[in-house]
Amino acid sequence: GQQLNQSPQSMFIQEGEDVSMNCTSSSIFNTWLWYKQDPGEGPVLLIALYKAGELTSNGRLTAQFGITRKDSFLNISASIPSDVGIYFCAGQGLRTSGSRLTFGEGTQLTVNP
Amino acid sequence: DAGVTQSPTHLIKTRGQQVTLRCSPKSGHDTVSWYQQALGQGPQFIFQYYEEEERQRGNFPDRFSGHQFPNYSSELNVNALLLGDSALYLCASTTGLGEAFFGQGTRLTVV
Repeated sequence: GQQLNQSPQSMFIQEGEDVSMNCTSSSIFNTWLWYKQDPGEGPVLLIALYKAGELTSNGRLTAQFGITRKDSFLNISASIPSDVGIYFCAGQGLRTSGSRLTFGEGTQLTVNP
Repeated sequence: DAGVTQSPTHLIKTRGQQVTLRCSPKSGHDTVSWYQQALGQGPQFIFQYYEEEERQRGNFPDRFSGHQFPNYSSELNVNALLLGDSALYLCASTTGLGEAFFGQGTRLTVV
């Protein structure tokens, strides 16, 4: 089945540093989504990408959809303590309402003040 | 506007028992999906409901079943619980663009 490889598994950074994480797949996805999950909570949608090569920003977050449709990266600039959490990428095969998501294994981010 | 709501938030069941989890989607969303998230892993797709029918199903046994009601709310039922069914169960409702919004989850512990 489809699998997403997300890296790195964990990151330890100082407040103010920039962060980059990425996801790769052996399969093509039509949509890439990036989520953040805090302990005991459900994932919260950060950014959605719909077109190959698309670059989208949401505040300090920037994400890009790879040209091959098999990869995506997420950058966080000027990290702050509340950025701590687990970041997941998710791919969606069909650009129609309600298609299943395939998730990566997550990147655990720790920000030291 | 309420987001996706799930109940209960926590549940402890004994091996062999049956459990029902509930989900109300975000207003205006007609598609509901269920995911299982084991500790330290990403969510795994269980199934999806649209217009009261199961539209897609992941690699989960028949012990996992569901239902969607006319008001788009949904239930996830798990029969003959195993210790390995212990996980966070997430419900997501979806926009027309395919963006999935998740509830806070139900933490199921099987003892």
